[in-house]
Amino acid sequence: EIVMTQSPATLSVSPGERATLSCKASQSVNSNLAWYQQKPGQAPRLLISGAYTRATGIPARFSGSGSGPEFTLTISSLQSEDVAIYYCQQYNNWPGTFGQGTKVEIK
Amino acid sequence: EVQLLESGGGLVQPGGSLTLSCAASGFTFSNYAMTWVRQAPGKGLEWVSGISGGGGYTHYADSVKGRLTISRDNSRNMVYLQLNSLRAEDTAIYYCAKADRRAVGADYFDYWGQGTLVTVSS
Repeated sequence: EIVMTQSPATLSVSPGERATLSCKASQSVNSNLAWYQQKPGQAPRLLISGAYTRATGIPARFSGSGSGPEFTLTISSLQSEDVAIYYCQQYNNWPGTFGQGTKVEIK
Repeated sequence: EVQLLESGGGLVQPGGSLTLSCAASGFTFSNYAMTWVRQAPGKGLEWVSGISGGGGYTHYADSVKGRLTISRDNSRNMVYLQLNSLRAEDTAIYYCAKADRRAVGADYFDYWGQGTLVTVSS
């Protein structure tokens, strides 16, 4: 089973500043990497699939990059509504596995 | 608009059983694999089980194999998860989620329901 490790555990960013979240796989997952956003009390929402393809309706300030074992989710200008836990998930190998999440807060 | 609506959660004693349901709408249901993902209180996401669009193929996480059964009724746009021999560690919100393809395997999930809470306690 592929282990996904996210860092940092918590990220505090000022409004309008850039937030950079990392996700590392224990082995290559090619570009089969998704990012989800989970706001408090809500279900997860797909942000990005294929490492960098934004899902329908996702604002352009969210972008994904990376391949192989290392990936990054960038929020270019943090808004108050972006406060959430962000999870990465590999779907290159069964079973698809999730990282433990990065909590994004407003500084 | 894609909608997934789970039901059937509740309080159950250890060793008990429960069946969760998920009603889907807004897409051609039989064209997509469906899955259940759970989240223990204050914890992360754990994939639990998946079923192919036609219903002929199923997968289970090792942690639940032999205790959970996934099924679907394409005539009713419904997916089910039967939980047996429940343990305290099965306490979680169970989310129904849609995969992006018909075959079941390692998938990502483009739509999620709001979840249903299962609490296993005496």
